[in-house]
Amino acid sequence: GAVVSQHPSRVICKSGTSVKIECRSLDFQATTMFWYRQFPKQSLMLMATSNEGSKATYEQGVEKDKFLINHASLTLSTLTVTSAHPEDSSFYICSARASAPTDRFGVRAGELFFGEGSRLTVL
Amino acid sequence: AQSVTQLDSQVPVFEEAPVELRCNYSSSVSVYLFWYVQYPNQGLQLLLKYLSGSTLVKGINGFEAEFNKSQTSFHLRKPSVHISDTAEYFCAVSLPIYNQGGKLIFGQGTELSVKP
Repeated sequence: GAVVSQHPSRVICKSGTSVKIECRSLDFQATTMFWYRQFPKQSLMLMATSNEGSKATYEQGVEKDKFLINHASLTLSTLTVTSAHPEDSSFYICSARASAPTDRFGVRAGELFFGEGSRLTVL
Repeated sequence: AQSVTQLDSQVPVFEEAPVELRCNYSSSVSVYLFWYVQYPNQGLQLLLKYLSGSTLVKGINGFEAEFNKSQTSFHLRKPSVHISDTAEYFCAVSLPIYNQGGKLIFGQGTELSVKP
């Protein structure tokens, strides 16, 4: 079926460094992608809605200067955690909404697909 | 605003027994409803969804859910569970796509633990 790829799947970094996580839709175009974070044993909290060619829409309480989102193409959105600290350690998951139907894998416009997640550990 | 409440954080059950995972939602506008499953350290897999039409929705792995508008509920059921069903289950609501891109709001999750 249609796939959303996240990279890297795991990353360990030192405190104060920046980390970039990529979210790619492999078989379809997505004008809208969503970024979530998930702490252990907790639910997924929506961080922001990423729109191709425009600024991301952040949820209340999410620092946009801390979590930079770029959606430069119809198949790629990136989340950059700037000046990461241990409290930023979490599981980050993206999802992509198909913006057009595609015969390949029978993807319908509007369908939502999730990536496999990226686990960030900040030392 | 929309919200989702999963009434049970943990549900232990024996293999081959039936199970129901409860979900209630709140919204002032029409929403779509979903159930997802998450295995440890993995992403989400869609079990089933309700967009419109028949209120009884059948999904993968033998799961089904019933949309009850009057009770604002969307409970997930399976008549006979397997060990492999042990996972975290999330109920979610979304707005229509034209409204904020159809973002998904998740419930707190229910940990289903199937014991032999």
